[in-house]
Amino acid sequence: AQSVTQLDSHVSVSEGTPVLLRCNYSSSYSPSLFWYVQHPNKGLQLLLKYTSAATLVKGINGFEAEFKKSETSFHLTKPSAHMSDAAEYFCVVTLSGYSTLTFGKGTMLLVSP
Amino acid sequence: NAGVTQTPKFRVLKTGQSMTLLCAQDMNHEYMYWYRQDPGMGLRLIHYSVGEGTTAKGEVPDGYNVSRLKKQNFLLGLESAAPSQTSVYFCASSSRLAVDTDTQYFGPGTRLTVL
Repeated sequence: AQSVTQLDSHVSVSEGTPVLLRCNYSSSYSPSLFWYVQHPNKGLQLLLKYTSAATLVKGINGFEAEFKKSETSFHLTKPSAHMSDAAEYFCVVTLSGYSTLTFGKGTMLLVSP
Repeated sequence: NAGVTQTPKFRVLKTGQSMTLLCAQDMNHEYMYWYRQDPGMGLRLIHYSVGEGTTAKGEVPDGYNVSRLKKQNFLLGLESAAPSQTSVYFCASSSRLAVDTDTQYFGPGTRLTVL
């Protein structure tokens, strides 16, 4: 069985400040982990994914995430928030090599000027 | 490439009516999925298909049927719509290739309201 918990339903930051979106996972096997972003009234876009290669994963738009097996975490970070980053972010887990995804409930990122 | 497309974008139904949502992908992907998204729930898998002519149940399959008659299309049917099926529906697809089988590509969504 696999599950994912996004620790914050909403995160508010000011433009230019760092972003941290937290995600913990549970998986019986070696997981693949993803972050997807959804802008208002849009579909989901893949930000980055971890598949047992480097533990620090770089994605699009300056985002990165670090896989920490000892902490079962996969937190998403960005050094400096931009207004265009305001969106909902989903942490997703799947068993390595198996295609059914399990989604977290999402974290809404609010960016103020 | 259009990627994953969904038809229609919006629909309003009355309780008891039926409808079919169409998903099409032009990436030659073997796997296709239907999800529903509800506030505070993330995305939940309804049904999926690992190839033409095959379908399987996901987490929340009740009240829905699917068909995959062609590799590029995956249809989601509601035989008798209920207000609890008011949601945003997303289709996704992924490749069978081992290096990329986990990565799903999503369509823009269909917003369905059942009155």
